[in-house]
Amino acid sequence: AQKVTQAQTEISVVEKEDVTLDCVYETRDTTYYLFWYKQPPSGELVFLIRRNSFDEQNEISGRYSWNFQKSTSSFNFTITASQVVDSAVYFCALNDNDYKLSFGAGTTVTVRA
Amino acid sequence: DAGVIQSPRHEVTEMGQEVTLRCKPISGHNSLFWYRQTMMRGLELLIYFNNNVPIDDSGMPEDRFSAKMPNASFSTLKIQPSEPRDSAVYFCASSSGTGTMNTEAFFGQGTRLTVV
Repeated sequence: AQKVTQAQTEISVVEKEDVTLDCVYETRDTTYYLFWYKQPPSGELVFLIRRNSFDEQNEISGRYSWNFQKSTSSFNFTITASQVVDSAVYFCALNDNDYKLSFGAGTTVTVRA
Repeated sequence: DAGVIQSPRHEVTEMGQEVTLRCKPISGHNSLFWYRQTMMRGLELLIYFNNNVPIDDSGMPEDRFSAKMPNASFSTLKIQPSEPRDSAVYFCASSSGTGTMNTEAFFGQGTRLTVV
């Protein structure tokens, strides 16, 4: 069964628009961690955020913000005032065991100038 | 720190040849992972080492694949013989502590393997 669902395959926006990436996860564990990674065109995977299941506070880091809602099993990611450099594939991931990251399929974000 | 270092960045080889991918984890990290990324299957874990010991190799697709970690600063992933369906991007990642449950995994830049 798919543990992490990123329903949006591709999103295209014009620079300065906000963009929200959806992530829905599935787990029976009460302790788990959620992650977001960015994969720019150069190919590497860049860690963005880690959030544990006991901390539902929203987090903001510059133009990035994350909304974690256990009630809907969602961990959504918003880029405010998008820039061309934000163009990348963004992956949501879940860890509900000791070590294995279960990745979503990714959402390709294209920001046009 | 230089981060996780993988080599080569790109590899093109002929079917049947042996391929060896290399990884140097971040110094001080004791967990190391090999992931494979394909369009069809996305990112999938191949093998996980903790303190140089393979803990979970259930993701290794078949016997043609093998991985070693002779010391804390080096790991290899070998495919012998290689097949066109092995074409993918292979990532190495490392983290501190046991696994990634409460620590983030840092990924290398990946090796893009093409088997023709």
